Amino acid sequence: AQTVTQSQPEMSVQEAETVTLSCTYDTSESNYYLFWYKQPPSRQMILVIRQEAYKQQNATENRFSVNFQKAAKSFSLKISDSQLGDTAMYFCAFMIGGGATNKLIFGTGTLLAVQP
Amino acid sequence: NAGVTQTPKFQVLKTGQSMTLQCAQDMNHEYMSWYRQDPGMGLRLIHYSVGAGITDQGEVPNGYNVSRSTTEDFPLRLLSAAPSQTSVYFCASSRQGSGANVLTFGAGSRLTVL
Repeated sequence: AQTVTQSQPEMSVQEAETVTLSCTYDTSESNYYLFWYKQPPSRQMILVIRQEAYKQQNATENRFSVNFQKAAKSFSLKISDSQLGDTAMYFCAFMIGGGATNKLIFGTGTLLAVQP
Repeated sequence: NAGVTQTPKFQVLKTGQSMTLQCAQDMNHEYMSWYRQDPGMGLRLIHYSVGAGITDQGEVPNGYNVSRSTTEDFPLRLLSAAPSQTSVYFCASSRQGSGANVLTFGAGSRLTVL
């Protein structure tokens, strides 16, 4: 069975600074995908970034980037130049590849507060 | 383009009552799913469907029924609500294929069972 672990229940960062959220996962699969979702106070789930396990290059989306360490089964999210709008719950999630199903397995989340 | 629409957004039930959470998507997605979100537990999969007429159980299916008669709709039924089903429910959909299929989520439905 696959598991996703987020060991930081809460984090705080000053506006304009950089913060890294941790995520580790466990799987015996070789084909899979990893995601970070953001959930602001509005409750809407918003995709932040995704990574295909077969790609060695770390994914980036503007101020968001990941550090994907496949051997260590680690998938951390770095937010640069933090903004007040980044305040949200962040979820790391895992999906087995191959397309049989699109089941997402979520971690328990990290609540990020960006301080002015 | 409405995306994934969930109704109602809020609902209060008494123990033993039944209700249906509605989910509709207009993106012609084959895959649809229901999650529940509880404090400290992330989102957990209840049921999912890979196409009309096909449904399967997720991690926490007990107490919930689903059906998929059309591509667009995937209702979640609580036949006899229990306080343990107090939660926020999310419907999500995506294309079905071998790529990194990104799920699109609805806005969520907050259910309280007294």
